[in-house]
Amino acid sequence: DGGITQSPKYLFRKEGQNVTLSCEQNLNHDAMYWYRQDPGQGLRLIYYSQIVNDFQKGDIAEGYSVSREKKESFPLTVTSAQKNPTAFYLCAASGREGFQPQHFGDGTRLSIL
Amino acid sequence: QQPVQSPQAVILREGEDAVINCSSSKALYSVHWYRQKHGEAPVFLMILLKGGEQKGHEKISASFNEKKQQSSLYLTASQLSYSGTYFCGTSPRDNYGQNFVFGPGTRLSVLP
Repeated sequence: DGGITQSPKYLFRKEGQNVTLSCEQNLNHDAMYWYRQDPGQGLRLIYYSQIVNDFQKGDIAEGYSVSREKKESFPLTVTSAQKNPTAFYLCAASGREGFQPQHFGDGTRLSIL
Repeated sequence: QQPVQSPQAVILREGEDAVINCSSSKALYSVHWYRQKHGEAPVFLMILLKGGEQKGHEKISASFNEKKQQSSLYLTASQLSYSGTYFCGTSPRDNYGQNFVFGPGTRLSVLP
């Protein structure tokens, strides 16, 4: 089945540790996104990529990094510089045009140990 | 700039109707609507493009007034399965980019 696969479902981070969240899609979509969602809040854009080897910062990129070496993969690294990483992280993919919907993965829940 | 959604929360009885509004201070090209159930990923409902079109999906429909930069989501004869948080997302242009922004959400609870 076509879709977005995020892993792991749950992740725990120790102080000073970098962790990487995986996002893979087989929808052949050009654009991919990472969002952060805090409890009871909306979705805030961390990073956005429209094509391979290109990405732009969203509203809350500080403390995060991404890569887009392949069309189907868009991993997110939460670095030790992100002091409050506990949140629900959602990856999405879409066509580049504004009339195309975003398809979301099931999310990764990150907590601090 | 984040769109404004109203109301913040609404409680309905099964079979009642609801309207959720989404407005922006910027001229819009598109408005997207998604529903998210607790602990799950958002699910796409519909997209409206500038031109004031109205769309429908079973008992859920939406309108887009580009002059007012406002969209409304209409839920008719609500079912228990409609419970969740509804988000609108807006884009000022036809190419997404980082200009696409989600609203804060409207929490809808449908009671038996």
